[in-house]
Amino acid sequence: EVQLVESGGGLVQHGGSLRLSCAASGFTFRSHWMHWVRQAPGKGLAWVSRINPDGGDTVYADSVKGRFTISRDNAKNTVYLQMNSLRAEDTAVYFCVRNLIGPEAYWGQGTLVTVSS
Amino acid sequence: QSALTQPPSASGSPGQSVTISCTGTSSDVGGYNYVSWYQQHPGKAPKLMIYEVSKRPSGVPDRFSGSKSGNTASLTVSGLQAEDEADYYCISYAGSNSVFGTGTKVTVL
Repeated sequence: EVQLVESGGGLVQHGGSLRLSCAASGFTFRSHWMHWVRQAPGKGLAWVSRINPDGGDTVYADSVKGRFTISRDNAKNTVYLQMNSLRAEDTAVYFCVRNLIGPEAYWGQGTLVTVSS
Repeated sequence: QSALTQPPSASGSPGQSVTISCTGTSSDVGGYNYVSWYQQHPGKAPKLMIYEVSKRPSGVPDRFSGSKSGNTASLTVSGLQAEDEADYYCISYAGSNSVFGTGTKVTVL
């Protein structure tokens, strides 16, 4: 059974840092593109970042570029999102997603990040 | 990286059809046949309903169909059922990044 389990969310002060993790199981992790998507409370979905299967190619939304870093450890079947210089507008549920646009898309249940001012 | 434009709401009675539009540009929707549609119920993770403009994943009812013309993609839900009441989001590949639509709340009257 495919599983994506996010962790690392919580309450952090403005300007602080947090690292999210997403542990994958039930599929060949190293073969898949992985994404982070976020959803602010009561708002729509927003694409944050993506990483290719070997980790050598990463792309970010303009809103997080220079502050967030996506990475992966294929030996641990885990994808990460390092978030620095956090702002109130980064408050959201963060979802880890396999193959966001495609037939094998699969979402985790999300982890809540709250940035206090 | 502007969000794709969707109507905020749409509605229909049980058994009727509803169509949701998703308008982008030639850099996203119009430039690639990589548009997907997601359904999201409150408090739940989104569920893939359509990928590559018009393909349905296994398990998705054929009441859900997708199409595209120019820079606008569309999702049609035929034979509306109570469980179709949810938020719907389109997403398009846009070269290297991806961009979501603004979301549409579908209400079954």
